[in-house]
Amino acid sequence: QKEVEQNSGPLSVPEGAIASLNCTYSDRVSQSFFWYRQYSGKSPELIMSIYSNGDKEDGRFTAQLNKASQYVSLLIRDSQPSDSATYLCAVGNSGGGADGLTFGKGTHLIIQP
Amino acid sequence: EAQVTQNPRYLITVTGKKLTVTCSQNMNHEYMSWYRQDPGLGLRQIYYSMNVEVTDKGDVPEGYKVSRKEKRNFPLILESPSPNQTSLYFCASSFEGGYGYTFGSGTRLTVV
Repeated sequence: QKEVEQNSGPLSVPEGAIASLNCTYSDRVSQSFFWYRQYSGKSPELIMSIYSNGDKEDGRFTAQLNKASQYVSLLIRDSQPSDSATYLCAVGNSGGGADGLTFGKGTHLIIQP
Repeated sequence: EAQVTQNPRYLITVTGKKLTVTCSQNMNHEYMSWYRQDPGLGLRQIYYSMNVEVTDKGDVPEGYKVSRKEKRNFPLILESPSPNQTSLYFCASSFEGGYGYTFGSGTRLTVV
């Protein structure tokens, strides 16, 4: 069975600093990787996807993928209090994700004003 | 507005009383999934569907049924709910699984 591991936190970061969130996965053939943000009581919201080794940037967010190490990370630059949420790492099942996603348990991020 | 709609948002029911949670998407998505989310256990997949009349079990399918008779709808059926099915349920859909899933607003189910 696929496993996706994340540090549950909480991870506390001062406002304006860089928040770094990490994730490891067990299935070497995985091809698609996602970061979701979930506010308390709300549904997960897709914020980043990455498929190739290296970095992918979108605004203040950068996703990093290292398939050799089976490692995915998310960097949030210039952290804002509104970034306080639980961040879920997800990996596509059967490689691509047509049969859904396997999620980590999430990292609770707190941005301190 | 493109969305995944789940109903009801909140439901309290008694053990053994059959219930259905509906899920509908208006994005013409092929792929749909159901998840449950529990404290300390995270999101776990219950069932998924890759097309009309094509469904399969996820990681925690026991006690649940699904159907996919139309592309837009993917209801979750609990034939005889038990207290251990008390959870927050999410439906999600995707045009092409590799591009991520859009989630519904969730259904908080309590079985007493």
